[in-house]
Amino acid sequence: NAGVTQTPKFRVLKTGQSMTLLCAQDMNHEYMYWYRQDPGMGLRLIHYSVGEGTTAKGEVPDGYNVSRLKKQNFLLGLESAAPSQTSVYFCASSPKGLGYGYTFGSGTRLTVV
Amino acid sequence: RKEVEQDPGPFNVPEGATVAFNCTYSNSASQSFFWYRQDCRKEPKLLMSVYSSGNEDGRFTAQLNRASQYISLLIRDSKLSDSATYLCVVIVGGGGGADGLTFGKGTHLIIQP
Repeated sequence: NAGVTQTPKFRVLKTGQSMTLLCAQDMNHEYMYWYRQDPGMGLRLIHYSVGEGTTAKGEVPDGYNVSRLKKQNFLLGLESAAPSQTSVYFCASSPKGLGYGYTFGSGTRLTVV
Repeated sequence: RKEVEQDPGPFNVPEGATVAFNCTYSNSASQSFFWYRQDCRKEPKLLMSVYSSGNEDGRFTAQLNRASQYISLLIRDSKLSDSATYLCVVIVGGGGGADGLTFGKGTHLIIQP
């Protein structure tokens, strides 16, 4: 069972470039999330989705867009990368409802120069 | 006051000792609680849920104190492999989405030989 798979694992971008991070889960989970983790800041929610075709903003959505065209995939886009977006990005998924833990992907380390 | 607070540590503990740390939360409507473990440069992984009646899994015991609004994690007979950062997660009820979920910034634990 693959669980949650993130691609790519590492990426270096130049300021102003765009890219898409892919998250795929094979557990038939309804909910999916994108977080960023920075030293001293903890995990911060960027965007999330409670089902196919739905997305919502989290705590730090500016500069990012997302799409969930298929239930198993959740894409995070950076239209014009900035150095402030240098971070480790984690995708997670969970079954519907409260009381369930999250399964995280292994992360994408993004550096914007 | 921050929604979820943890002592960042590090807690330096000799192998075999017992260690405990807490996580305080500010929203009395919080309904679900979890402990996650995160190894260096890895994704967070669910350690255990925290139930009102407490929860024990081997050497690990999690407890909830609603009156004082904190959860605790106790590790007995600590092993070198327990060295990690421990994140608490608090979920506020009312919705099915992720907007009511908050991660603590984590407590760093170092088990010393």
